[in-house]
Amino acid sequence: EDKVVQSPLSLVVHEGDTVTLNCSYEVTNFRSLLWYKQEKKAPTFLFMLTSSGIEKKSGRLSSILDKKELFSILNITATQTGDSAIYLCAALNTGTASKLTFGTGTRLQVTL
Amino acid sequence: DSGVTQTPKHLITATGQRVTLRCSPRSGDLSVYWYQQSLDQGLQFLIQYYNGEERAKGNILERFSAQQFPDLHSELNLSSLELGDSALYFCASSEGLAISGGNTYEQYFGPGTRLTVT
Repeated sequence: EDKVVQSPLSLVVHEGDTVTLNCSYEVTNFRSLLWYKQEKKAPTFLFMLTSSGIEKKSGRLSSILDKKELFSILNITATQTGDSAIYLCAALNTGTASKLTFGTGTRLQVTL
Repeated sequence: DSGVTQTPKHLITATGQRVTLRCSPRSGDLSVYWYQQSLDQGLQFLIQYYNGEERAKGNILERFSAQQFPDLHSELNLSSLELGDSALYFCASSEGLAISGGNTYEQYFGPGTRLTVT
């Protein structure tokens, strides 16, 4: 059975801190790893990683995939209160019936 | 605003009833996905349609069914509702399928429909 595990489950940091969120996966016919940010309602797409070792960056957020060790990390530097959210990672498999398997998420709270 | 619309926003119904949730994908997107998010289960993939055809199935109960119409909107039908079906139901859309390569698998989520079964 395909499985995605995120850690930590929850963390609280002070504004300005740097955080690293972890995502490990065991997925048959793995293709890509996706990161989403979920605030109050719908998840919003952050990154899609398909190649190992290539960092993707968007402002203070960056992410990298290790296909040998089957994990990905999401880094957020100089955190702000607006970064408070649940961060979800999902593994995409491929083939005739592609699907996304989500982890349970990491709840990040950034305090002043 | 992702461009994906879902109706209704909220739905309250009694056990045993049937409801239909509706989703309109972003303009140009051929793939539609349905997800269920409950407090204890997290985000669960239910089913995917591509250009009217079912392409992938996740943890979808037999009491649930979905379809995608020629105009590409999709409906998720939930029947014989139980208390445990109370959840947020998200629809997402993307331009294509992962197997078609490139970045066509970026999914954009709608605002969700909150279903409460009493």
